[in-house]
Amino acid sequence: EVQLVESGGGLVQPGGSLRLSCTASGFALRDHWMTWVRQAPGKGLEWVANMNQDGNEKYYVDSVEGRFTVSRDNAKNSLYLQMNSLKDADTAVYFCARGKVPYSASGEDAFDIWGLGTRVTVSP
Amino acid sequence: DIVMTQSPDSLAVSLGERATINCKSSQNVFYSSHNKNYLAWYQQKPGQPPKLLIYWASTRESGVPDRFSGSGSGTDFTLTIRSLQAEDVAVYYCQQYYTIPLTFGQGTKVEI
Repeated sequence: EVQLVESGGGLVQPGGSLRLSCTASGFALRDHWMTWVRQAPGKGLEWVANMNQDGNEKYYVDSVEGRFTVSRDNAKNSLYLQMNSLKDADTAVYFCARGKVPYSASGEDAFDIWGLGTRVTVSP
Repeated sequence: DIVMTQSPDSLAVSLGERATINCKSSQNVFYSSHNKNYLAWYQQKPGQPPKLLIYWASTRESGVPDRFSGSGSGTDFTLTIRSLQAEDVAVYYCQQYYTIPLTFGQGTKVEI
């Protein structure tokens, strides 16, 4: 079965750090652009970051640029999101998602596989 | 950044009736060299991740019932649910993937 499973969420104080993981099964992560999307409580979806197949292209939404770092380990079929200097506004469920088109040269893509998400709460 | 604006924010539709959701982008998302609109629709039920329904503005994802259809081009798009079923109660989002940052509409809640 093709699936993504996120982990690593939790409660953290403002200014703290967390590292989220996303493990893929049923397909080769190395073939796809991968993305992080978040959803604040009761709010809509916000694209956070994405990364190409070999990890040498990364893009971020302005609000996390310089604080968050996306990375991947294709040998472990895993995607990561290192989140530093966390703010209250980063409180959300974080989803990892797969770019639909394999071997795509572009990160501009729809997302066909989503994980269930991991909850991050930033609070004193 | 491309701003995606959906209308209405919510709508109530009787079972078996048609639901229509509109999505307007602040910039054209039609890539002429590919002849494609870089626009997707997602369905999200409570406590679940989003599910891809439509991509390239009008191509139905595998396994999605044919009562869901997408239309439009350029800056104006529509998701239509023909003959609403109880299981279609959800929030629906449009998303442009024409350029980074990828952006979503604010969502439209569909109720019975």
